[in-house]
Amino acid sequence: QQQVKQSPQSLIVQKGGISIINCAYENTAFDYFPWYQQFPGKGPALLIAIRPDVSEKKEGRFTISFNKSAKQFSLHIMDSQPGDSATYFCAASYAGNKLTFGGGTRVLVKP
Amino acid sequence: DAGITQSPRHKVTETGTPVTLRCHQTENHRYMYWYRQDPGHGLRLIHYSYGVKDTDKGEVSDGYSVSRSKTEDFLLTLESATSSQTSVYFCAISAGTGMGPGELFFGEGSRLTVL
Repeated sequence: QQQVKQSPQSLIVQKGGISIINCAYENTAFDYFPWYQQFPGKGPALLIAIRPDVSEKKEGRFTISFNKSAKQFSLHIMDSQPGDSATYFCAASYAGNKLTFGGGTRVLVKP
Repeated sequence: DAGITQSPRHKVTETGTPVTLRCHQTENHRYMYWYRQDPGHGLRLIHYSYGVKDTDKGEVSDGYSVSRSKTEDFLLTLESATSSQTSVYFCAISAGTGMGPGELFFGEGSRLTVL
């Protein structure tokens, strides 16, 4: 049972455009929602994270929007650049030290 | 970069043979994790450790065992490898916080092919 569902599996965006990745979760006990970025041949690295007491968090061109009632959260990449081409994973955890990851989204930014 | 080293980085083995992957950290972090990455499935937790000799199962633990005899080393063993265990394996570490895992730092992965 996949507790965190991520969509789309892949997306292509033009340079300067907005990339949007969505995640939905089932467990209402989740209280920590990070996004990880992975480049080919490398391990994932933390990009940005949010807790459910806020509805939005922005760091540079990356924004997490969080909708607690809908049990959904999303990553927006503004002014997408070719260097943003990577695989992005959403994740969630609760009351402990294990992260459950979504299936990943491969983003390609065309110049 | 976090001090995490995985070995071997690449391995090809035959079905039924034992395989051990090693994760070594120099950060003295309490928590260590083994994930596998497969297309469409993201990262799935195999086992994790919250201290020396303290380990627990993740969501896909069948066919895998782990050991942690020292803070810095976390071993993943496939007792009898099967083709379904062909995957990329990632080790991760975290300091842990009172409110959850905090940031996970990942190694560069070990690509295992079981023929």
